Amino acid sequence: ETGVTQTPRHLVMGMTNKKSLKCEQHLGHNAMYWYKQSAKKPLELMFVYNFKEQTENNSVPSRFSPECPNSSHLFLHLHTLQPEDSALYLCASSQDKERGGDTQYFGPGTRLTVL
Amino acid sequence: DAKTTQPPSMDCAEGRAANLPCNHSTISGNEYVYWYRQIHSQGPQYIIHGLKNNETNEMASLIITEDRKSSTLILPHATLRDTAVYYCIVRSSGGYNKLIFGAGTRLAVHP
Repeated sequence: ETGVTQTPRHLVMGMTNKKSLKCEQHLGHNAMYWYKQSAKKPLELMFVYNFKEQTENNSVPSRFSPECPNSSHLFLHLHTLQPEDSALYLCASSQDKERGGDTQYFGPGTRLTVL
Repeated sequence: DAKTTQPPSMDCAEGRAANLPCNHSTISGNEYVYWYRQIHSQGPQYIIHGLKNNETNEMASLIITEDRKSSTLILPHATLRDTAVYYCIVRSSGGYNKLIFGAGTRLAVHP
């Protein structure tokens, strides 16, 4: 257990559905991240939030909409997705540190399948 | 952030040391070397990081060459549960910087 939880662990949705992924960190961190990992591809950063403010959007399509209501919770709202959006979605959190930058701790991921 | 080069795959016998190399010849002075691993379909797990001195923790040791252009992650007594993809990442210190993952090294530990 890393202190980062994600729900649901598995999700199957149609292209017209709207769903949300949830991430919660119990580590007292101030930064949270969404990553996407498609089959046989490296992890790709999607969004970064620091102190609830979005600080990076890595050219992610608008059908993915993040929300960070507080430093402990991060959501990814999904609507009108495409089959190629099927992937493992990973959440991570970190604490800004003077030494060594911020070590990111990952959740177990949500396996998303878009039909 | 500097790029890294790792072998795509390695094998190791159970109980033996696994030495995973990483080249980062363009690393700059304020960039740290991080190692993560990802067991199949799980989230990446932090292993260790360092700047220029060798580091050791309960999981592994990190040996960084004097010129900092390469490093080696050492799992001293590999077990079957160490079978995973290992990622070597270099990134600058501070802030909430992103991790740029490459393809990593797929380590297979066999009996």
